[in-house]
Amino acid sequence: AQSVSQHNHHVILSEAASLELGCNYSYGGTVNLFWYVQYPGQHLQLLLKYFSGDPLVKGIKGFEAEFIKSKFSFNLRKPSVQWSDTAEYFCAVNERGYQKVTFGTGTKLQVIP
Amino acid sequence: NAGVTQTPKFQVLKTGQSMTLQCAQDMNHEYMSWYRQDPGMGLRLIHYSVGAGITDQGEVPNGYNVSRSTTEDFPLRLLSAAPSQTSVYFCASSYRLQGSSGANVLTFGAGSRLTVL
Repeated sequence: AQSVSQHNHHVILSEAASLELGCNYSYGGTVNLFWYVQYPGQHLQLLLKYFSGDPLVKGIKGFEAEFIKSKFSFNLRKPSVQWSDTAEYFCAVNERGYQKVTFGTGTKLQVIP
Repeated sequence: NAGVTQTPKFQVLKTGQSMTLQCAQDMNHEYMSWYRQDPGMGLRLIHYSVGAGITDQGEVPNGYNVSRSTTEDFPLRLLSAAPSQTSVYFCASSYRLQGSSGANVLTFGAGSRLTVL
């Protein structure tokens, strides 16, 4: 069964610091990859997605992620975080041809003004 | 469009009681699913459905029932509530992106917070 690992459970950064959140998945076949974000008191929404093509994908609010197939990774990055980026971030994987989506355990990001 | 609507938003139950969490979507999505969110455990899939009349189990199905009689509705039933079912429940639906080999972009509801005493 596929699984998704997010090793950083809680990250605290100052505004303008750079961000990188790790995501690794276990499935060796072809997958679609996602990052979702949950702002305080809100429901989850899509941040960005990868399913083919350029392994560097850009999402909303200046976020980007890079798919490295050899490392089974899909790390999320942002050059300069803002206080409004305080949220919980979830990596998710979907095996091609199937509709089940498996989520990681999430990373809580706290940005200090 | 309302998107994905979940009711109730909050519910308190006593151990052994049963209840149904409602989920409705108005986007004509084929796929619907239920997740529970617990601290430190992320989102875990309970049940999912790929279309009306078709349901299947996810990672943590025990103690829950689902049915999919219409495309729009996907209720989650707790048969006999237990304190371990205290959680926040999210319903999500999705479509398949054109040309993406089955990429599955989920639209989530606002969540239902359930407390079992």
